[in-house]
Amino acid sequence: DAKTTQPNSMESNEEEPVHLPCNHSTISGTDYIHWYRQLPSQGPEYVIHGLTSNVNNRMASLAIAEDRKSSTLILHRATLRDAAVYYCILRDFNNAGNMLTFGGGTRLMVKP
Amino acid sequence: NAGVTQTPKFQVLKTGQSMTLQCAQDMNHEYMSWYRQDPGMGLRLIHYSVGAGITDQGEVPNGYNVSRSTTEDFPLRLLSAAPSQTSVYFCASSNEGAVNEKLFFGSGTQLSVL
Repeated sequence: DAKTTQPNSMESNEEEPVHLPCNHSTISGTDYIHWYRQLPSQGPEYVIHGLTSNVNNRMASLAIAEDRKSSTLILHRATLRDAAVYYCILRDFNNAGNMLTFGGGTRLMVKP
Repeated sequence: NAGVTQTPKFQVLKTGQSMTLQCAQDMNHEYMSWYRQDPGMGLRLIHYSVGAGITDQGEVPNGYNVSRSTTEDFPLRLLSAAPSQTSVYFCASSNEGAVNEKLFFGSGTQLSVL
């Protein structure tokens, strides 16, 4: 399975944009890029996913590089409630269903 | 909407005891799964089910049993608890197995085995 690399931690100031990077240099053409986040003492929560094109939803935006070897999750205005561990996950037909392969993720700290 | 409900939220066991972690979802999802999360780590898949009557092993299945008699419920059984099974357990479900499908997670069961 293709793997992802994320920084262990990042800091942001409240109400500023946050760009969370993810490298996936061995991504295959059929891999979807998913992002989940885990707030303290809670289960993971779906954030966004994409294949080739940039995606936007009410929570965040996902910017995917043209060669798909990297992607960036963008929180447009960080709030204290966005402090969480963010996981970048690749999904292909080998890990469909409920099979997500979690790495270490990026711990985002938001300062007031 | 209840979503994915896990019970209990906390449990302390002695080595060798058995217990069942409960998971129920009210979204009529076909796919359900169990993950464990050790401190400071990502989640690892224990067992999963693609529908009632069908289960399969994930990455770390040893010491755990599952069954899926209904669409709604997917209990996880610890046969003989060991300290290495101290962890937080999460149940998840999704409507289908498509790679663009999102998963819904429960709030977790924190298990300590003494």
